[in-house]
Amino acid sequence: GENVEQHPSTLSVQEGDSAVIKCTYSDSASNYFPWYKQELGKRPQLIIDIRSNVGEKKDQRIAVTLNKTAKHFSLHITETQPEDSAVYFCAAPTGFQKLVFGTGTRLLVSP
Amino acid sequence: DAGVTQSPTHLIKTRGQQVTLRCSPKSGHDTVSWYQQALGQGPQFIFQYYEEEERQRGNFPDRFSGHQFPNYSSELNVNALLLGDSALYLCASSFLPTGTGGREQYFGPGTRLTVT
Repeated sequence: GENVEQHPSTLSVQEGDSAVIKCTYSDSASNYFPWYKQELGKRPQLIIDIRSNVGEKKDQRIAVTLNKTAKHFSLHITETQPEDSAVYFCAAPTGFQKLVFGTGTRLLVSP
Repeated sequence: DAGVTQSPTHLIKTRGQQVTLRCSPKSGHDTVSWYQQALGQGPQFIFQYYEEEERQRGNFPDRFSGHQFPNYSSELNVNALLLGDSALYLCASSFLPTGTGGREQYFGPGTRLTVT
């Protein structure tokens, strides 16, 4: 069935290091892969997304890569800053724009 | 340009009661999806409305129902509340052009529902 697996569940890095979060999806028809950042008590915020016709997309310190053959996509954050600390969710659509979310990664960036 | 708005912000209900949550989509968006987010978990899809019809539904019981109005705003109704319904209820809006395919969904601030 529809499933999105996300790893790791927690990630602690030092300021300036890079962070990588990986997701695997099951629905081969999925063609759009968003990443959301959710700070404590706030709404999920769309930070970057990628469509299936592209292998990589970059926006300043954030990048997303997609491997459709392996059904993997990853979020890369370079030069991490304390304000990057949050819970990050990957998602993949199934059916008619129904988003299936991963279980989340709690990123902690220490100064 | 207003983003997605939801009301109320917080709500406390007792078991067995009914609740109605409201959502106004981002300007220019015509599709509203509702999600339930339990503490420490990712959002779970409840259902989606487009052209005033429920287009897709997740694994939620019939106690969860909704409606979309001609101005694209939407309501989520939950009957016979259970303790397990306590969660953050998020709505997300998007624009659906012709054809299928994933589209950006933008979330509202959510309604925190507590059932006692």
